[in-house]
Amino acid sequence: ETGVTQTPRHLVMGMTNKKSLKCEQHLGHNAMYWYKQSAKKPLELMFVYSLEERVENNSVPSRFSPECPNSSHLFLHLHTLQPEDSALYLCASSRTGATNEKLFFGSGTQLSVL
Amino acid sequence: AQKVTQAQTEISVVEKEDVTLDCVYETRDTTYYLFWYKQPPSGELVFLIRRNSFDEQNEISGRYSWNFQKSTSSFNFTITASQVVDSAVYFCALSENSGGYQKVTFGIGTKLQVIP
Repeated sequence: ETGVTQTPRHLVMGMTNKKSLKCEQHLGHNAMYWYKQSAKKPLELMFVYSLEERVENNSVPSRFSPECPNSSHLFLHLHTLQPEDSALYLCASSRTGATNEKLFFGSGTQLSVL
Repeated sequence: AQKVTQAQTEISVVEKEDVTLDCVYETRDTTYYLFWYKQPPSGELVFLIRRNSFDEQNEISGRYSWNFQKSTSSFNFTITASQVVDSAVYFCALSENSGGYQKVTFGIGTKLQVIP
């Protein structure tokens, strides 16, 4: 139990669907992150939230839309995705977002876009 | 720009062998932090070790040891007497301050398979 929970664990969606990924952390952390993990590629940072404010949007296509309603919850809304968006989407959190802090990860959502 | 290179994408060893996972990084910052994370089949990355750029002292934790050499920009990870439970993907990561927040760059990961 890492304290970061992601749902669903697996998601299959068509290119015209709209779905959302959910992340919840029970650690009292103030910084939350979305990462994309594709085969044979390094983890790609997508979004960073600090105290519910987005501080980084790492050139992510607009078909990915994050939402952070409070410091414990983070969503990634998906719409009109492409097959190349199929990947493992990982949520992470850290205490304050300082450079020396370790990240706590969820188990990820394995997304398949058909 | 920061970069982390893990040249070994997959390694297979027989149980009880020692194995070293290589990590080379690039950065222009003088203050940074290096990390190793383990990703078991369940998916979540688990923190193993953190090193700051001013501390080159090597560290040993049980069967795990880390060798940080600033002169060669390397932060290698050795598992002694490997066990099947060590089978996982291992990520090296570099953390820097970017506009006031933590920006972490990960390597591509090294998949370690320990054969019984």
